[in-house]
Amino acid sequence: ETGVTQTPRHLVMGMTNKKSLKCEQHLGHNAMYWYKQSAKKPLELMFVYSLEERVENNSVPSRFSPECPNSSHLFLHLHTLQPEDSALYLCASSRGTEAGELFFGEGSRLTVL
Amino acid sequence: GQNIDQPTEMTATEGAIVQINCTYQTSGFNGLFWYQQHAGEAPTFLSYNVLDGLEEKGRFSSFLSRSKGYSYLLLKELQMKDSASYLCASMDSNYQLIWGAGTKLIIKP
Repeated sequence: ETGVTQTPRHLVMGMTNKKSLKCEQHLGHNAMYWYKQSAKKPLELMFVYSLEERVENNSVPSRFSPECPNSSHLFLHLHTLQPEDSALYLCASSRGTEAGELFFGEGSRLTVL
Repeated sequence: GQNIDQPTEMTATEGAIVQINCTYQTSGFNGLFWYQQHAGEAPTFLSYNVLDGLEEKGRFSSFLSRSKGYSYLLLKELQMKDSASYLCASMDSNYQLIWGAGTKLIIKP
């Protein structure tokens, strides 16, 4: 139990569907992150939020849309995805954006058909 | 460009010692991190080095040489539960973590 909870754990969707991934942290942290993890590749940082404000967007396609309504919750809205978007999506939190100790959720395994 | 290199896979025997190497090239440096990730689970923080030398934490130790852009994670008295992927990450001058692809460690009885 890392203090970061992600739902759903598994998601299968068609390319025309719209779905959302949810992340909640119970650690009182100020920064939250979305990462993409593909097999045998480094973690790819997608979005960073600090105190609910987006501070980093690493050239992520617009079919991925983040939302951070408060410092404890983070969403990733998905629409018209491609099969190559199939991956494990990890949420993480940290005390601040300069802290390298991240606390990860167990991830949402996404399969796009 | 920024780059982290670590072996893709290593195999070791229960009870033995294994060293996982990591070399890094980043724009600036604010520390070197190691994470452990069991299959199907979240990565968890293991260690942090910002100064040269060895940091020991139980059976696990981490070493850093900033002049060589090099770190290693040393695991002693290996147990079957140490079978996992080990992720090396360097923090650059913008406090962004640059990740390696991970080393899958297989422990055999």
